[in-house]
Amino acid sequence: GDSVTQMEGPVTLSEEAFLTINCTYTATGYPSLFWYVQYPGEGLQLLLKATKADDKGSNKGFEATYRKETTSFHLEKGSVQVSDSAVYFCALTQGSSNYKLTFGKGTLLTVNP
Amino acid sequence: DAGVTQSPTHLIKTRGQQVTLRCSPKSGHDTVSWYQQALGQGPQFIFQYYEEEERQRGNFPDRFSGHQFPNYSSELNVNALLLGDSALYLCASSLVGGGAGKYFGPGTRLTVL
Repeated sequence: GDSVTQMEGPVTLSEEAFLTINCTYTATGYPSLFWYVQYPGEGLQLLLKATKADDKGSNKGFEATYRKETTSFHLEKGSVQVSDSAVYFCALTQGSSNYKLTFGKGTLLTVNP
Repeated sequence: DAGVTQSPTHLIKTRGQQVTLRCSPKSGHDTVSWYQQALGQGPQFIFQYYEEEERQRGNFPDRFSGHQFPNYSSELNVNALLLGDSALYLCASSLVGGGAGKYFGPGTRLTVL
């Protein structure tokens, strides 16, 4: 079945550092890929998405590129802020379906001032 | 525009009891999905409702059941609670044909003692 693997956390960075959180997936067909963010005590918020190969999703300074050849969707940000501290989840859904999301285990990011 | 709302926020039950969680989707959305998020893990898909029918189901026992009402709101019922059912239960809404991506509610924290 479909699966998502994220780099193990926690990740601790200083403010203005460069961020990369690795995500790889296993899926049949052509899934859509997502990054969700969960702030402490809250539900999930969609951060960005990409629906086909070579698409780049971007939002709030975060970027991720859908790489079919390496089955990856790594999250990057050039300069993190303390307010970016949260848990980040990589996820996929099949094709353009609105059906189930398959999530990775999440990566806790802590940004220190 | 109200987002996805869930009630209650927190709930404490004892083993063997039954619980009902409620979800109202984002305005304009017609599909509701439920996810279970154990502590430190990614959300796991329970099931999805569209047009008042269960359309897809994850790997959860029959103790987990649901319902969708004509106004698109939904309930998640769990019978014969086990300690392992303690988790954050997330509701997500989307629009069929509206493209990939879901909006999540803040969740209901269920503790089973």
